[in-house]
Amino acid sequence: DQQVKQNSPSLSVQEGRISILNCDYTNSMFDYFLWYKKYPAEGPTFLISISSIKDKNEDGRFTVFLNKSAKHLSLHIVPSQPGDSAVYFCAASTGANSKLTFGKGITLSVRP
Amino acid sequence: EAGVAQSPRYKIIEKRQSVAFWCNPISGHATLYWYQQILGQGPKLLIQFQNNGVVDDSQLPKDRFSAERLKGVDSTLKIQPAKLEDSAVYLCASSLGDGYNEQFFGPGTRLTVL
Repeated sequence: DQQVKQNSPSLSVQEGRISILNCDYTNSMFDYFLWYKKYPAEGPTFLISISSIKDKNEDGRFTVFLNKSAKHLSLHIVPSQPGDSAVYFCAASTGANSKLTFGKGITLSVRP
Repeated sequence: EAGVAQSPRYKIIEKRQSVAFWCNPISGHATLYWYQQILGQGPKLLIQFQNNGVVDDSQLPKDRFSAERLKGVDSTLKIQPAKLEDSAVYLCASSLGDGYNEQFFGPGTRLTVL
């Protein structure tokens, strides 16, 4: 049973435009959400996180939005750059210091 | 600050053989995790340690997988005997372990079982 779902396997955007990556979850006990970026042959790299008490968190070009009622979060990258091309994983946890439950990932391609 | 170290990076074995992976977490990180990532899937937790104690091993196939973190620092994950479906990337991650902290991942070990 997939508790974290990334339904779109891939996304292609033009350099300079906005990339919007979506994630849905089913477990209402999740209270901390993270996005990781992964390049080939490397481990996932932490990008940005959001607590369930917030609905938005921003870090430079990256913004994560959380809609708890819809059990939906999204990652916005503005402006997108070719170096952002990677696999992006949405992850969630229940409580402090607990395991992460990951989605299947979405492959982002940013065209020059 | 040095990241999470893992070795080997790649391993090819035949089914029914045994294999071991090693992980050295970021210095000072109390919590260590082993994840299994099958191609096309997200990482799935196998086992979580807090210092040298096991916090969660509910998804570890204990008939063939074992892990230890004897001194609360580095850790080994062993598979014996390996099956074809164990082919995956094995990721080690660590975190401070004192609240809502991100987990830092190592580069992973890609295991191929023939």
